[in-house]
Amino acid sequence: SQELEQSPQSLIVQEGKNLTINCTSSKTLYGLYWYKQKYGEGLIFLMMLQKGGEEKSHEKITAKLDEKKQQSSLHITASQPSHAGIYLCGADGGGYQKVTFGTGTKLQVIP
Amino acid sequence: EPEVTQTPSHQVTQMGQEVILRCVPISNHLYFYWYRQILGQKVEFLVSFYNNEISEKSEIFDDQFSVERPDGSNFTLKIRSTKLEDSAMYFCASREAATQYFGPGTRLTVL
Repeated sequence: SQELEQSPQSLIVQEGKNLTINCTSSKTLYGLYWYKQKYGEGLIFLMMLQKGGEEKSHEKITAKLDEKKQQSSLHITASQPSHAGIYLCGADGGGYQKVTFGTGTKLQVIP
Repeated sequence: EPEVTQTPSHQVTQMGQEVILRCVPISNHLYFYWYRQILGQKVEFLVSFYNNEISEKSEIFDDQFSVERPDGSNFTLKIRSTKLEDSAMYFCASREAATQYFGPGTRLTVL
């Protein structure tokens, strides 16, 4: 079965600093989702990557899928308190299969 | 933009009671899923459903759980006799070819 490992598990940054969260898969990824979640709340879709080398951006958040499709990174530029939350990566099994989630990275941004 | 909806947003029940969680998938989607997330833990796959049949289920999805598509729009998850450990956020998802879309979740609290 597919396993996803996220690093770091938690992160505290000063407002305005850049940061990167990594997601590594035990198998080649068909597709990779990034979600943001506030503790105890729903999943906020950020972006989905499917092609090796693909990079997508939304506002100050950029995600990239490596060429081998086994690792993805999420980069936040000039972090703000509104970026605080738990970031989850999810591996799409392809062919209408389930999504397998990582354990999450908890981000705190200190003003 | 079409979205997956779930009702209720929060359900409180007594241990041993039956609960039904409801989802309305995106209208032209044919694949449906339930996931759950115990507070502070990973999002876990429960079951997938296609063509009025379960296509895959996890170890969590035991005889206490059932799913149904009672009409052309709803997709339900029933828990026959709730336990304290069933307290969690339950997410419904539906899928077109490339992307899985998640609903906002139902928080189930079992007392």
